[in-house]
Amino acid sequence: ETGVTQTPRHLVMGMTNKKSLKCEQHLGHNAMYWYKQSAKKPLELMFVYNFKEQTENNSVPSRFSPECPNSSHLFLHLHTLQPEDSALYLCASSQEAGEKLFFGSGTQLSVL
Amino acid sequence: GENVEQHPSTLSVQEGDSAVIKCTYSDSASNYFPWYKQELGKRPQLIIDIRSNVGEKKDQRIAVTLNKTAKHFSLHITETQPEDSAVYFCASRPGFQKLVFGTGTRLLVSP
Repeated sequence: ETGVTQTPRHLVMGMTNKKSLKCEQHLGHNAMYWYKQSAKKPLELMFVYNFKEQTENNSVPSRFSPECPNSSHLFLHLHTLQPEDSALYLCASSQEAGEKLFFGSGTQLSVL
Repeated sequence: GENVEQHPSTLSVQEGDSAVIKCTYSDSASNYFPWYKQELGKRPQLIIDIRSNVGEKKDQRIAVTLNKTAKHFSLHITETQPEDSAVYFCASRPGFQKLVFGTGTRLLVSP
């Protein structure tokens, strides 16, 4: 499979649950990103990893915890989320950090 | 920090007309400006980008112009087709690795 693959596509979780979002890129890119997309809001950058090192944390609450074990995989660990965290979470990758991002299809998250 | 404003939020045109979407940015250090298209239920896809040392770039029916002095850049789509209907996002890069996005423009092209 090519491109950026995100799983699961949909996730419903309670406020006390712990879940993880997974992203895998098959493009040989060096940088990976997590973005949050909410209705009527701009895409919000959450985290940037460049060569597996976290280089940007955009003041994200600690209930979101990223993990990048290698340059092809990125996880977002979720715990004790709030209903306002419901959104589409998009993973992206790029060869050069900060340009020509290739997005995955996203995980639609609903927090009840 | 960088702030990107995008207008209009909604744009309706007839097939064959031109469409223009405009973005303004605040950080004079921004040096890279991409445009993404997101069709309903699909991922955002890069359609064109421009660097700060270039004033205009064209790719078939789409073009982007940049005015660094005024800190604004625009997306121009000519001879619009129904398949151009989507949400379009502009973005700017104020720092080395960070893209800041606009709020999006929903373009509707009517046959």
